[in-house]
Amino acid sequence: NAGVMQNPRHLVRRRGQEARLRCSPMKGHSHVYWYRQLPEEGLKFMVYLQKENIIDESGMPKERFSAEFPKEGPSILRIQQVVRGDSAAYFCASSPGTGGEERLFFGPGTRLTVL
Amino acid sequence: RKEVEQDPGPFNVPEGATVAFNCTYSNSASQSFFWYRQDCRKEPKLLMSVYSSGNEDGRFTAQLNRASQYISLLIRDSKLSDSATYLCVEGRRALTFGSGTRLQVQP
Repeated sequence: NAGVMQNPRHLVRRRGQEARLRCSPMKGHSHVYWYRQLPEEGLKFMVYLQKENIIDESGMPKERFSAEFPKEGPSILRIQQVVRGDSAAYFCASSPGTGGEERLFFGPGTRLTVL
Repeated sequence: RKEVEQDPGPFNVPEGATVAFNCTYSNSASQSFFWYRQDCRKEPKLLMSVYSSGNEDGRFTAQLNRASQYISLLIRDSKLSDSATYLCVEGRRALTFGSGTRLQVQP
C-alpha cells in the first residue's frame, strides 16, 4: 500500500515564476492537508481539503497561494509569482476522514528553492 | 503566546541516558495531543498519542497534565537512533505543531 506521494521532491524556481506542488494521498484517504516548514522552524498548517472542497484555509497566505483537490487526480498547491521567502519544505498529509482522533500520514515533502 | 511551545534544545545525552521533554499549550479546551518525530530533512512521523491517563510504548512514556497545560515525553535507555527532532502536536484535524526539540544521543 503506497504511502502519501509528493512530487516533485525538489523544485527550483526563479522569482516571479509559478510553483506547482502535487500530492497524492494514501489509497482510501479523502482528506488532504498542506503544511509549510521554513528552515529551523516547525510545521505551519496551511490548508485542509476534501475532494472538491476547501474545508479550512486559515493558514494560507491571502495572495499568490491556492490549493485544490479535484475529484480525479492529486491535490495541487499552487504558488504564483514566487519570492525568496517562499523557499521552504512543503509537506502534504492525508487521513481517511472517518472522524474522531485521526492520525495524519505525511508525504516526503517538496523542497522549494526560489533563486 | 505561541499555541504550542517547546524548548528547542539541543539536548545532548550519552547513550543509555534518560531524557525528558516538556511542551506547553495555550488552548485549555484542547483534547488531542501527539508526539511526532522528525529526522533531518524528512517528513514527521507519529511517535505516540498522549492520553490523559498517560501511555507507554517500550522505552517511551508520554503524559498529559491538564491543570498545568503541558505534555511530556520521557525516553529511557537512549539509543543513537533516537537522535532526531521531537515535535509536540496539539489538536485534532488541523494539527498545531511546536517548533520541536532536538535530541542528539552521543556514543
